[in-house]
Amino acid sequence: DFQMTQSPSSVSASLGDRVTITCRASQDISSWLAWYQQKPGKAPKLLIYVASTLQSGVPSRFSGSGSGTDFTLTISSLQPEDFATYYCQQANSFPITFGGGTKVEIK
Amino acid sequence: EVQLLESGGGLVQPGGSLRLSCAASGFTFSSYAMSWVRQGPGEGLEWVSGITGSGGSAYYADSVEGRFTISRDNSRNTLYLQMNSLRAGDTAVYYCAKGTQEVGATRLHYWGQGTLVTVSS
Repeated sequence: DFQMTQSPSSVSASLGDRVTITCRASQDISSWLAWYQQKPGKAPKLLIYVASTLQSGVPSRFSGSGSGTDFTLTISSLQPEDFATYYCQQANSFPITFGGGTKVEIK
Repeated sequence: EVQLLESGGGLVQPGGSLRLSCAASGFTFSSYAMSWVRQGPGEGLEWVSGITGSGGSAYYADSVEGRFTISRDNSRNTLYLQMNSLRAGDTAVYYCAKGTQEVGATRLHYWGQGTLVTVSS
């Protein structure tokens, strides 16, 4: 199974800050990585897939990069609606696995 | 418009059983793999089970293997999760989610609103 490790588990940031979240896979997953945003009481929302492709309707301040085992989600300029928890997910093979999540909080 | 509507959650005693349903609409149901993902109170996301579009192959997390069974009725556009021998640790919101192709692990493009399962005496 592919284990997914996210860091940090939480980050405090201010409006306009650049935020970077990392995700590491235990084995090579090529570019089969997705990122999700989840707000309290809501279902997760797909942001990015195949590591760097922005899902339709997602603001361009979100970007993803990486391949193999190391991946990054970047929010270039944090907006009020971006305070949420973010998860990575490997889509290489079953069983699907998620990272532990990164909570982006207001500083 | 893609819609996924889960139902069947509730309170069940340890050792009991429950069957969740997910009614799908807005897409050709049989053409897409589907998954169940759960989230315990204050916890992260945990993939539980997935099934191919035809229903011919099913996959499970180790934590539920042998206790849960995923199935689908493509004539009714409905996904199921039969949960047996439930434990306190199975307490969670259960989401159904749509994949992006008929077979294989994929990103989960659409999610339902979730149904709460509480295992407690």
